[in-house]
Amino acid sequence: QSALTQPASVSGSPGQSITISCTGTSSDVGSYNLVSWYQQHPGKAPRFMIYEVNKRPSGVSNRFSGSKSGNTASLTISGLQAEDEADYYCCSYAGSSTLLFGGGTKLTVL
Amino acid sequence: QVQLVQSGAEVKKPGASVKVSCKASGYTFTNYDMHWVRQAPGQGLEWMGIINPSGGRTYYAQKFQGRLTMTRDTSTSTVYMELSSLRSEDTAVYYCARDEKIVVVWRLVYWGQGALVTVSS
Repeated sequence: QSALTQPASVSGSPGQSITISCTGTSSDVGSYNLVSWYQQHPGKAPRFMIYEVNKRPSGVSNRFSGSKSGNTASLTISGLQAEDEADYYCCSYAGSSTLLFGGGTKLTVL
Repeated sequence: QVQLVQSGAEVKKPGASVKVSCKASGYTFTNYDMHWVRQAPGQGLEWMGIINPSGGRTYYAQKFQGRLTMTRDTSTSTVYMELSSLRSEDTAVYYCARDEKIVVVWRLVYWGQGALVTVSS
């Protein structure tokens, strides 16, 4: 199984919105609404941000939202803030009790 | 509160094995599956496998079949990840991460602090 495909980097100015895509196949992203997103700051463990495509756990800002169309999931961050600068990873259930991560996207807040 | 405390950094020679521990507290250990994820330096996250601490059932990513063994000790609320036949590409930070619900929902909500494994001759 190959990793899900994410852009290596995205950037935006404070207050703007950005979207990170996550492309898989009909065997993973396209087949299950079990896409989650993780934020990781340098030297830290990942943080759980979105689950089941578009649901936010308690404590996560409503500036973070998720969606999916076909084999591609997306994470949108609105009203960019400096603290949003981090690496973001998508993750999808891939069947047969396995998970697949994306390659990660580095978000730079200009 | 849920806490996952992992063992410390290790340095291993190529061909050796490493066993990383993850001690859980703050919840009923046998009720929640535990995942293992690794991250090579400067690289992305890679899911390795999952263990059910109640019955010990495991599922591994195909890439690690034959080299990876996950076990648990219910008396100490600890899960273990053992990787054998180490090579330089296995140099990474290894994380344990607990699933959110009693029935696995494939959400990695709680994470350990990570354990750096360095493979070098």
